[in-house]
Amino acid sequence: EVHLVESGGGLVQPGGSLSLSCAASGFNFWTSAMNWVRQAPGKGLEWVSHISGNSGITTFYADSVKGRFTISRDNSENILFLHMNSLRADDTAVYYCAKEEISETEGYSGSFYDYWGQGTLVTVSS
Amino acid sequence: SYELTQALSVSVALGQTARITCGGNDIGNKNVQWYQQKPGQALVLVIYRDDNRPSGIPERFSGSNSGNTATLTITRAQAGDEADYYCQIWDNTARYVFGTGTKVTVL
Repeated sequence: EVHLVESGGGLVQPGGSLSLSCAASGFNFWTSAMNWVRQAPGKGLEWVSHISGNSGITTFYADSVKGRFTISRDNSENILFLHMNSLRADDTAVYYCAKEEISETEGYSGSFYDYWGQGTLVTVSS
Repeated sequence: SYELTQALSVSVALGQTARITCGGNDIGNKNVQWYQQKPGQALVLVIYRDDNRPSGIPERFSGSNSGNTATLTITRAQAGDEADYYCQIWDNTARYVFGTGTKVTVL
């Protein structure tokens, strides 16, 4: 059974830093692309970042976090990370990790998120 | 940037059919996913690549996509179908795009 468990959320001051983790089990983590998606209180879903499977050589970031957030992975421990710097009030959200299934024939255009974690809350406030 | 528009809310009588739409420019030429979100639970993929159901998702859930509108249809709606539903696509520029979300209420 697939399990994704996020941790590391909490209260941080504007301009501060925080690192999130997502512990994965139940599937071949090292070959799987992974993503972070967030949801501000009472709002919809917003994609944050993607990292490719295997070496994680390919990363994508939403414009809203580019240059401030860094996604990485430890395939030996089956953990996905999101390192967040220069945090702002509008980064306040529940952060979810999601496993991505990428189509062999269509690539990213045929991809989807087949498993999600329960999320961890990040609050940026003074 | 690419935008996906959904109605804020949809109400459906118990046992009847709910249709949740997702509007986007030429969305018919993109693969559309639908996710279900219930309070306190992990999001669940209910439809992928327009009209495919993952294992474990009831046949009551179906999807279609054409022109500028994708649709998630829930037939014989049950109380347990009450949730927020989000459509999602891949765009070459914006990457992963989610719709604005629709709250489904079963009356």
